[in-house]
Amino acid sequence: SQKIEQNSEALNIQEGKTATLTCNYTNYSPAYLQWYRQDPGRGPVFLLLIRENEKEKRKERLKVTFDTTLKQSLFHITASQPADSATYLCALDMFSGGYNKLIFGAGTRLAVHP
Amino acid sequence: GAVVSQHPSWVICKSGTSVKIECRSLDFQATTMFWYRQFPKQSLMLMATSNEGSKATYEQGVEKDKFLINHASLTLSTLTVTSAHPEDSSFYICSATGTSGSLNEQFFGPGTRLTVL
Repeated sequence: SQKIEQNSEALNIQEGKTATLTCNYTNYSPAYLQWYRQDPGRGPVFLLLIRENEKEKRKERLKVTFDTTLKQSLFHITASQPADSATYLCALDMFSGGYNKLIFGAGTRLAVHP
Repeated sequence: GAVVSQHPSWVICKSGTSVKIECRSLDFQATTMFWYRQFPKQSLMLMATSNEGSKATYEQGVEKDKFLINHASLTLSTLTVTSAHPEDSSFYICSATGTSGSLNEQFFGPGTRLTVL
């Protein structure tokens, strides 16, 4: 079965620096890979989607890369701010049984310090 | 746009009772709704997928008789935890995909914290 690995340890960085989070997966590559933000006690919020034929996607201070050879996605936040502190989830988009469904990683907690 | 609500946001119940959680899409019609559960510091685990008017598709290991899902309309799905036990205590989150726009983007509700005593 598909396995997704994200750094379980929290990432602590200084305000203004670039945060880089890693998502690795095993087995087959999904058609889509998504990144979500989750704050404590809240549901995930969609950030970015990248397709298997896209190498890179950007949205404001966010950048996602997708390397199907390495089976890895990197998520970057440039000019990080304390408000960016949250848990970031990687999710693989699978089509199964007639539906698209998401398989989530456990997430990486990011703490941006002033 | 694309707001999903859940009710209640938290619930405490006694062991053996049943609890119903509602998931509503407020400003769009949700063709498909998903139910997840999440334990502390763990990933979201998909429990079931439901389409309006049809039976839910449950993931392996999820008891369909224990977690009853009803998707009666394009804006409402309910999850009923029957005969709840302390091990059912968890954070339950629903999501929905719409009839237009990106069918791959799921909009998540704020979650329901269930505590079974």
